Amino acid sequence: SYELTQSLSVSVAPGQTARITCGGSNIAGKNVHWYQQRPGQAPVLVIYRDSSRPSGIPERFSGSNSGNTATLTISGAQAGDEADYYCQVWDTSTRVVFGAGTKLTVL
Amino acid sequence: EEQLVESGGGSVQPGGSLRLSCTASGFTFSSFEMNWVRQRPGKGLEWISYISSSDSTIYYADSVKGRFTISRDNAKNSLYLQMNSLRAEDTATYYCARGRSPYSSWGRGTLVTVSS
Repeated sequence: SYELTQSLSVSVAPGQTARITCGGSNIAGKNVHWYQQRPGQAPVLVIYRDSSRPSGIPERFSGSNSGNTATLTISGAQAGDEADYYCQVWDTSTRVVFGAGTKLTVL
Repeated sequence: EEQLVESGGGSVQPGGSLRLSCTASGFTFSSFEMNWVRQRPGKGLEWISYISSSDSTIYYADSVKGRFTISRDNAKNSLYLQMNSLRAEDTATYYCARGRSPYSSWGRGTLVTVSS
Protein backbone atom coordinates (compact mmCIF):
# COMPACT_ATOMS: atom_id res chain seq x y z
CA SER A 1 0.00 0.00 0.00
CA TYR A 2 1.13 3.55 -0.68
CA GLU A 3 2.29 5.65 2.27
CA LEU A 4 2.93 9.35 2.81
CA THR A 5 5.41 10.63 5.38
CA GLN A 6 5.13 14.02 7.05
CA SER A 7 7.17 15.62 9.81
CA LEU A 8 5.29 15.78 13.11
CA SER A 9 5.79 19.51 13.56
CA VAL A 10 7.26 22.64 12.01
CA SER A 11 7.89 25.95 13.74
CA VAL A 12 8.36 29.31 12.08
CA ALA A 13 8.68 32.90 13.21
CA PRO A 14 5.99 35.32 12.08
CA GLY A 15 6.78 36.70 8.65
CA GLN A 16 9.17 33.91 7.79
CA THR A 17 8.72 31.06 5.33
CA ALA A 18 7.40 27.70 6.48
CA ARG A 19 8.02 24.57 4.44
CA ILE A 20 6.05 21.41 5.12
CA THR A 21 7.13 18.28 3.31
CA CYS A 22 5.31 15.12 2.28
CA GLY A 23 7.37 12.11 1.27
CA GLY A 24 6.27 9.18 -0.87
CA SER A 25 7.73 6.77 -3.38
CA ASN A 26 7.96 8.61 -6.71
CA ILE A 27 5.36 11.07 -5.44
CA ALA A 28 6.19 13.30 -8.39
CA GLY A 29 4.09 10.92 -10.48
CA LYS A 30 1.00 11.68 -8.43
CA ASN A 31 -1.19 14.72 -7.89
CA VAL A 32 -0.65 15.97 -4.35
CA HIS A 33 -3.26 17.96 -2.48
CA TRP A 34 -2.88 19.86 0.79
CA TYR A 35 -5.44 20.61 3.49
CA GLN A 36 -5.33 23.00 6.40
CA GLN A 37 -7.20 22.08 9.57
CA ARG A 38 -7.44 24.63 12.33
CA PRO A 39 -8.32 23.35 15.84
CA GLY A 40 -11.94 22.31 16.10
CA GLN A 41 -12.65 22.96 12.44
CA ALA A 42 -13.11 20.92 9.29
CA PRO A 43 -10.24 20.61 6.81
CA VAL A 44 -9.92 23.17 4.04
CA LEU A 45 -8.25 22.54 0.70
CA VAL A 46 -5.35 24.98 0.27
CA ILE A 47 -3.39 23.46 -2.64
CA TYR A 48 -4.52 20.96 -5.26
CA ARG A 49 -2.68 19.14 -8.04
CA ASP A 50 0.71 19.96 -6.55
CA SER A 51 0.65 23.73 -6.96
CA SER A 52 -2.81 25.11 -7.77
CA ARG A 53 -4.63 27.34 -5.31
CA PRO A 54 -8.41 27.25 -4.84
CA SER A 55 -10.18 30.57 -4.99
CA GLY A 56 -9.95 32.42 -1.70
CA ILE A 57 -6.64 30.91 -0.65
CA PRO A 58 -3.93 33.56 -0.21
CA GLU A 59 -1.01 33.66 -2.63
CA ARG A 60 1.23 33.05 0.38
CA PHE A 61 0.37 29.38 -0.02
CA SER A 62 2.24 27.53 -2.76
CA GLY A 63 3.18 23.97 -3.56
CA SER A 64 5.71 21.92 -5.47
CA ASN A 65 6.30 18.26 -6.18
CA SER A 66 9.49 16.58 -7.33
CA GLY A 67 11.11 13.20 -6.97
CA ASN A 68 10.00 11.65 -3.70
CA THR A 69 8.95 14.85 -1.94
CA ALA A 70 6.09 17.30 -2.24
CA THR A 71 6.33 20.60 -0.40
CA LEU A 72 3.79 23.10 0.87
CA THR A 73 5.34 26.54 1.29
CA ILE A 74 3.76 29.31 3.34
CA SER A 75 5.48 32.63 2.74
CA GLY A 76 5.21 35.33 5.35
CA ALA A 77 3.61 33.01 7.88
CA GLN A 78 0.97 34.55 10.12
CA ALA A 79 -0.49 33.53 13.48
CA GLY A 80 -3.68 32.55 11.68
CA ASP A 81 -1.75 29.94 9.71
CA GLU A 82 -1.23 27.86 12.85
CA ALA A 83 -2.93 24.58 12.04
CA ASP A 84 -2.43 20.98 11.10
CA TYR A 85 -1.56 20.43 7.45
CA TYR A 86 -2.25 17.17 5.63
CA CYS A 87 -1.04 16.01 2.25
CA GLN A 88 -3.20 13.61 0.23
CA VAL A 89 -2.95 11.58 -2.95
CA TRP A 90 -5.09 9.15 -4.90
CA ASP A 91 -3.44 5.77 -5.35
CA THR A 92 -4.88 3.14 -7.67
CA SER A 93 -4.51 0.35 -5.11
CA THR A 94 -4.92 2.12 -1.77
CA ARG A 95 -7.39 4.66 -3.17
CA VAL A 96 -7.14 7.74 -0.94
CA VAL A 97 -4.06 8.25 1.20
CA PHE A 98 -3.50 11.01 3.73
CA GLY A 99 -0.24 11.88 5.38
CA ALA A 100 -0.23 11.80 9.18
CA GLY A 101 -0.27 15.57 9.35
CA THR A 102 2.17 18.31 10.34
CA LYS A 103 1.46 20.76 13.12
CA LEU A 104 2.58 24.25 12.16
CA THR A 105 3.44 26.58 15.01
CA VAL A 106 4.00 30.27 14.34
CA LEU A 107 5.96 31.74 17.24
CA GLU B 1 -23.53 28.92 -0.67
CA GLU B 2 -22.26 25.36 -1.01
CA GLN B 3 -22.84 23.43 2.18
CA LEU B 4 -22.55 19.91 3.55
CA VAL B 5 -24.18 19.09 6.87
CA GLU B 6 -23.63 15.78 8.64
CA SER B 7 -26.02 14.31 11.18
CA GLY B 8 -26.76 11.06 12.95
CA GLY B 9 -23.75 10.83 15.23
CA GLY B 10 -24.03 9.88 18.87
CA SER B 11 -23.08 7.29 21.44
CA VAL B 12 -23.48 3.59 20.79
CA GLN B 13 -22.33 0.40 22.45
CA PRO B 14 -19.76 -1.89 20.84
CA GLY B 15 -21.45 -4.14 18.30
CA GLY B 16 -24.17 -1.60 17.69
CA SER B 17 -25.22 0.25 14.56
CA LEU B 18 -25.59 3.85 13.50
CA ARG B 19 -26.58 5.60 10.29
CA LEU B 20 -24.96 8.88 9.35
CA SER B 21 -26.42 11.34 6.88
CA CYS B 22 -24.90 14.21 4.93
CA THR B 23 -27.23 16.75 3.35
CA ALA B 24 -25.91 18.90 0.53
CA SER B 25 -27.08 22.30 -0.62
CA GLY B 26 -25.91 25.10 -2.89
CA PHE B 27 -24.59 22.84 -5.66
CA THR B 28 -25.75 20.04 -7.96
CA PHE B 29 -25.24 17.09 -5.64
CA SER B 30 -25.98 14.49 -8.31
CA SER B 31 -22.98 15.64 -10.35
CA PHE B 32 -20.40 15.01 -7.66
CA GLU B 33 -18.59 12.03 -6.25
CA MET B 34 -18.70 11.88 -2.48
CA ASN B 35 -16.69 10.44 0.39
CA TRP B 36 -16.67 9.79 4.10
CA VAL B 37 -13.52 10.69 5.99
CA ARG B 38 -13.08 10.23 9.71
CA GLN B 39 -10.76 11.58 12.36
CA ARG B 40 -10.19 9.77 15.62
CA PRO B 41 -9.71 12.03 18.65
CA GLY B 42 -6.33 13.73 18.45
CA LYS B 43 -5.39 11.82 15.31
CA GLY B 44 -5.12 12.45 11.58
CA LEU B 45 -7.54 12.14 8.70
CA GLU B 46 -8.57 8.69 7.49
CA TRP B 47 -10.52 8.15 4.28
CA ILE B 48 -13.07 5.38 4.71
CA SER B 49 -15.41 5.32 1.71
CA TYR B 50 -16.12 6.71 -1.76
CA ILE B 51 -19.19 6.66 -3.99
CA SER B 52 -19.45 7.84 -7.57
CA SER B 53 -22.09 10.34 -8.66
CA SER B 54 -24.41 7.63 -9.96
CA ASP B 55 -23.40 5.15 -7.19
CA SER B 56 -22.08 2.75 -9.81
CA THR B 57 -18.64 2.67 -8.17
CA ILE B 58 -18.01 2.26 -4.45
CA TYR B 59 -14.77 1.84 -2.53
CA TYR B 60 -14.03 1.16 1.13
CA ALA B 61 -10.95 1.29 3.29
CA ASP B 62 -9.95 -2.09 4.65
CA SER B 63 -10.66 -0.88 8.19
CA VAL B 64 -14.41 -0.68 7.52
CA LYS B 65 -14.96 -3.10 4.64
CA GLY B 66 -17.78 -5.52 5.38
CA ARG B 67 -19.10 -3.40 8.28
CA PHE B 68 -19.91 -0.02 6.72
CA THR B 69 -22.10 0.71 3.69
CA ILE B 70 -22.07 3.97 1.76
CA SER B 71 -25.10 5.06 -0.27
CA ARG B 72 -26.69 8.16 -1.69
CA ASP B 73 -30.08 9.52 -2.73
CA ASN B 74 -29.59 12.15 -5.40
CA ALA B 75 -33.28 13.11 -5.28
CA LYS B 76 -32.81 14.05 -1.63
CA ASN B 77 -29.33 15.55 -2.05
CA SER B 78 -28.14 13.16 0.61
CA LEU B 79 -25.23 10.86 1.34
CA TYR B 80 -25.39 8.08 3.91
CA LEU B 81 -23.10 5.81 5.89
CA GLN B 82 -24.60 2.74 7.52
CA MET B 83 -22.24 1.58 10.24
CA ASN B 84 -22.68 -1.89 11.71
CA SER B 85 -20.66 -3.97 14.17
CA LEU B 86 -19.17 -0.83 15.62
CA ARG B 87 -15.94 -1.04 17.60
CA ALA B 88 -14.24 1.27 20.07
CA GLU B 89 -11.72 2.19 17.38
CA ASP B 90 -14.55 3.57 15.21
CA THR B 91 -14.89 6.44 17.69
CA ALA B 92 -14.24 9.52 15.58
CA THR B 93 -15.61 12.61 13.96
CA TYR B 94 -17.04 11.64 10.59
CA TYR B 95 -16.90 14.13 7.74
CA CYS B 96 -18.53 13.98 4.35
CA ALA B 97 -16.35 15.44 1.61
CA ARG B 98 -17.08 16.34 -1.98
CA GLY B 99 -15.08 15.19 -4.98
CA ARG B 100 -12.94 12.29 -6.09
CA SER B 101 -9.60 13.78 -5.21
CA PRO B 102 -9.09 16.45 -4.04
CA TYR B 103 -11.94 17.25 -1.69
CA SER B 104 -13.10 20.74 -2.43
CA SER B 105 -15.77 20.93 0.23
CA TRP B 106 -16.21 19.37 3.66
CA GLY B 107 -18.95 19.30 6.23
CA ARG B 108 -18.35 20.20 9.86
CA GLY B 109 -18.51 16.59 10.92
CA THR B 110 -20.55 14.47 13.32
CA LEU B 111 -19.09 12.72 16.35
CA VAL B 112 -19.55 9.00 16.84
CA THR B 113 -18.60 7.51 20.20
CA VAL B 114 -18.48 3.73 20.63
CA SER B 115 -18.28 2.81 24.28
CA SER B 116 -19.84 0.49 26.79
